[in-house]
Amino acid sequence: EPEVTQTPSHQVTQMGQEVILRCVPISNHLYFYWYRQILGQKVEFLVSFYNNEISEKSEIFDDQFSVERPDGSNFTLKIRSTKLEDSAMYFCASSEAGTGRVKLFFGSGTQLSVL
Amino acid sequence: LAKTTQPISMDSYEGQEVNITCSHNNIATNDYITWYQQFPSQGPRFIIQGYKTKVTNEVASLFIPADRKSSTLSLPRVSLSDTAVYYCLVVRSGNTGKLIFGQGTTLQVKP
Repeated sequence: EPEVTQTPSHQVTQMGQEVILRCVPISNHLYFYWYRQILGQKVEFLVSFYNNEISEKSEIFDDQFSVERPDGSNFTLKIRSTKLEDSAMYFCASSEAGTGRVKLFFGSGTQLSVL
Repeated sequence: LAKTTQPISMDSYEGQEVNITCSHNNIATNDYITWYQQFPSQGPRFIIQGYKTKVTNEVASLFIPADRKSSTLSLPRVSLSDTAVYYCLVVRSGNTGKLIFGQGTTLQVKP
């Protein structure tokens, strides 16, 4: 089965530093997403992306966050100035369809620790 | 969107059938039901989705009664590797991939 690949699996950073989390979605998928899960809490939607534009974003996705599809295979999430509360597991996902009965494929996540 | 309610945890033994029920009393006509599975330190994995009656795939069955106010995920003959969190989601047709996850049901399968 095709997979969504995320790198790195773990990222440790100092508060105030910029981090870029990387994802390679499934090759024929056109819709991309970032979710996050703080330890012991629910999986939360951050942003959806299609055709080089943000389709929808949550309240969590403030000006410190940005997404980009820099080439035909990668999809990145940048946090400009990390805060302690950004520590979480970040999941990238992709889907073939963007509406209707959407089926998301998630990666294994990047565990971000902000010190 | 309809709020979902499911048990926080369940225990089972290897080889048993497990049924996890989810209630969604305020489901709308253009909503469908989707279940995801999540293992520790991994992303959620799609299991099954349906609108009404019964859907079956190689992993599970989903039973949805006529009033659609609840649904039951059935896992046949579970093994230790089925220990995971199972999420019931109500998704509106036309949704752009923004899934709302609840706390899910933590299934512990014992030997």
